[in-house]
Amino acid sequence: DADVTQTPRNRITKTGKRIMLECSQTKGHDRMYWYRQDPGLGLRLIYYSFDVKDINKGEISDGYSVSRQAQAKFSLSLESAIPNQTALYFCATSSSGTWDTDTQYFGPGTRLTVL
Amino acid sequence: LAKTTQPISMDSYEGQEVNITCSHNNIATNDYITWYQQFPSQGPRFIIQGYKTKVKNEVASLFIPADRKSSTLSLPRVSLSDTAVYYCLAFLGGIYNQGGKLIFGQGTELSVKP
Repeated sequence: DADVTQTPRNRITKTGKRIMLECSQTKGHDRMYWYRQDPGLGLRLIYYSFDVKDINKGEISDGYSVSRQAQAKFSLSLESAIPNQTALYFCATSSSGTWDTDTQYFGPGTRLTVL
Repeated sequence: LAKTTQPISMDSYEGQEVNITCSHNNIATNDYITWYQQFPSQGPRFIIQGYKTKVKNEVASLFIPADRKSSTLSLPRVSLSDTAVYYCLAFLGGIYNQGGKLIFGQGTELSVKP
């Protein structure tokens, strides 16, 4: 969905490096999410934010941190990248409302390789 | 342990109806079940959402039994362009911020053949 953009689209880095993945949205949504996707494991939630002052850990937050700089921007950081963080990362957004009836809109993904 | 379970893969032929079932035996009382479609090199895209019984839209139907421990996505008369991975999503394990988790199934890779 062009309303949700992720940068970079591809990144190769080395073990121990600090990496930041950025997500921007023009949908005006309050809620933003970061997922990682691994073959055979589907999507797993890393962090989510329901507004600028609300940050919550997801299923697999260890080794990651996030920053919600503005309503439209949500960044994911790997403070010291390790090879098992090699994955496809997706950002998603949804509008305010009942948590479980939200429709999430996904960005195109960032493919991260940690050597 | 909160979990959703789907078949890993399915094969079908053009024009057939395809049913994909997701098990979510620990779904919270008020939670909806949502299905997404994903093509290679793209993010998932919303297909349909439901709470109980049957929901239908222009692309799919969703059947949810009374116990809500499973849901079945039904794609009528599939075409080659329906070849994709399909995910179910549910909020399992209780109330938000009280131990509940947003859980995607591992995905079902549907292959539609001519």
